[in-house]
Amino acid sequence: GIQVEQSPPDLILQEGANSTLRCNFSDSVNNLQWFHQNPWGQLINLFYIPSGTKQNGRLSATTVATERYSLLYISSSQTTDSGVYFCAVDRPYSGAGSYQLTFGKGTKLSVIP
Amino acid sequence: GAGVSQTPSNKVTEKGKYVELRCDPISGHTALYWYRQSLGQGPEFLIYFQGTGAADDSGLPNDRFFAVRPEGSVSTLKIQRTERGDSAVYLCASSPGQGDEQYFGPGTRLTVT
Repeated sequence: GIQVEQSPPDLILQEGANSTLRCNFSDSVNNLQWFHQNPWGQLINLFYIPSGTKQNGRLSATTVATERYSLLYISSSQTTDSGVYFCAVDRPYSGAGSYQLTFGKGTKLSVIP
Repeated sequence: GAGVSQTPSNKVTEKGKYVELRCDPISGHTALYWYRQSLGQGPEFLIYFQGTGAADDSGLPNDRFFAVRPEGSVSTLKIQRTERGDSAVYLCASSPGQGDEQYFGPGTRLTVT
């Protein structure tokens, strides 16, 4: 199946700092999503971004599908940004096993005041 | 509008017992997915429904796990003869159609004692 690797696994930031999280995937994808899992376990949708660049407030994401990676940028980090960030992908339809999201292991972000 | 809801939020059961976990998808979403998340890991796919039918159940770990979606809306994940290794957070997601952005519920934390 498709492999998804996220880096770094852990990240500690001072409040106000910027960061870049990376997601590499091993094959072409139909769908790529970034999620933030808050301390209560809820997965919050950040971006649906199989290709291109999107921005939402202090967050932005870029996916370069031809090179099989995506980046999530967090600017002016706040303590509420703490949690685990997951990248997840699904394959172009090819029969059984498609449409399921395959998740990376996540990046655990801690923002300290 | 209302998001994906899951009940119960927590379930503690004894080894060998039967449990049912419920998922209410976003209204109008035809695709529904179940995932399982163990501590420190990303969610892992279990089963995917398109409408009433299970289009892909390749992630179910064994025949003790079964899921239904009889009217194409609410889904129930059923686990027979629970084992301690079944302890995890069970997540449900829905999307407008297959391959679209997936939205997750808050999960059911299952503990088998």
